[in-house]
Amino acid sequence: GESVGLHLPTLSVQEGDNSIINCAYSNSASDYFIWYKQESGKGPQFIIDIRSNMDKRQGQRVTVLLNKTVKHLSLQIAATQPGDSAVYFCAEKDPNYGGSQGNLIFGKGTKLSVKP
Amino acid sequence: GAGVSQSPRYKVAKRGQDVALRCDPISGHVSLFWYQQALGQGPEFLTYFQNEAQLDKSGLPSDRFFAERPEGSVSTLKIQRTQQEDSAVYLCASSPVTGHQPQHFGDGTRLSIL
Repeated sequence: GESVGLHLPTLSVQEGDNSIINCAYSNSASDYFIWYKQESGKGPQFIIDIRSNMDKRQGQRVTVLLNKTVKHLSLQIAATQPGDSAVYFCAEKDPNYGGSQGNLIFGKGTKLSVKP
Repeated sequence: GAGVSQSPRYKVAKRGQDVALRCDPISGHVSLFWYQQALGQGPEFLTYFQNEAQLDKSGLPSDRFFAERPEGSVSTLKIQRTQQEDSAVYLCASSPVTGHQPQHFGDGTRLSIL
């Protein structure tokens, strides 16, 4: 569900299982999306990105799916490891900017906990 | 290293003091962004530079916040007459100017106002 303040949505998975983290965005004009991983005391770390002309993009152990019809983004992590434990944010480039530059608008984040 | 570097990592100031936070972007990155991250929240945009030009400062919460990037490389975020609500992590990010490129973040400065 939605998070307010300190109450981040939490996903707890067993080591070796697959994880799916979901994100909704509101502006149908958004054309670029990024997933970030943030560990405690560190800045957001780039995981994978996708442009709106794609539905799916794969990286190493990660896949991002984009459903423009329902304005939904998901991050799939295969064979989740304890080192994947962190807060995950989706971000969209502010659609009010023209061209390829612009600030990012972040979602509220999901805390992933991996049990060994 | 080759990443975005921010200093100091931690800053404690008394209410009413001025503070200055520094960001060294990735070499060659033209775009530089500042974000504010409250505890348990996602980062929120403050301001954006392309080279030395500040193209957007719409996210700065008040006129006590000021940012500069005089030579198009290092940037400084200054907060005057700090207040308790300024306590947050301040993140800097940089990216190349061309194409849809991800922003790369530093580890931030954690600012605590007493």
